[in-house]
Amino acid sequence: SQTIHQWPATLVQPVGSPLSLECTVEGTSNPNLYWYRQAAGRGLQLLFYSVGIGQISSEVPQNLSASRPQDRQFILSSKKLLLSDSGFYLCAWSVGGVYGYTFGSGTRLTVV
Amino acid sequence: RKEVEQDPGPFNVPEGATVAFNCTYSNSASQSFFWYRQDCRKEPKLLMSVYSSGNEDGRFTAQLNRASQYISLLIRDSKLSDSATYLCVVNDNDYKLSFGAGTTVTVRA
Repeated sequence: SQTIHQWPATLVQPVGSPLSLECTVEGTSNPNLYWYRQAAGRGLQLLFYSVGIGQISSEVPQNLSASRPQDRQFILSSKKLLLSDSGFYLCAWSVGGVYGYTFGSGTRLTVV
Repeated sequence: RKEVEQDPGPFNVPEGATVAFNCTYSNSASQSFFWYRQDCRKEPKLLMSVYSSGNEDGRFTAQLNRASQYISLLIRDSKLSDSATYLCVVNDNDYKLSFGAGTTVTVRA
């Protein structure tokens, strides 16, 4: 069966520090991968998605970047965090939008 | 205009009651529709897909109206454990889904 792993579960980082969040999927090949952010009390905002190794589509211009160095690995990064980067970051995978997504358990990031 | 719009609620209902809510979507080309459930501080989880003919899964019934571009979810015999935020989800294309902001349901004893 397919599983998605996302870590860490919680993170507190100072303003201006770098960020690296990792997501890996097991049990499937060539998944579509997604990074979402959910601010407190708000809806899901799509940040990046990838349909293959090295292929990244950015949905919202911002202080973040994404990379897909391997088929089942998706990384979200920032060189310098802002207070507004705080939120609940969710990784997801799918075999296509028509089939829905499966989400990882999320990383709760607080920038202080 | 948002691609998927939902009444945020909250819907406060007693145990055993029936609660129903809708969402509307703007992309007439959408082909796939879902309801997700999100518990507080947790990731969203797929509750059910929504099919053209409507479908039922236990106490949950989903309906799709393509002509009016809305989707509904009905929960019968509400349980305390049904308290959550319900996200309406519609596919944009082969790769992306659009999520509504969610409808909050609170079931009280």
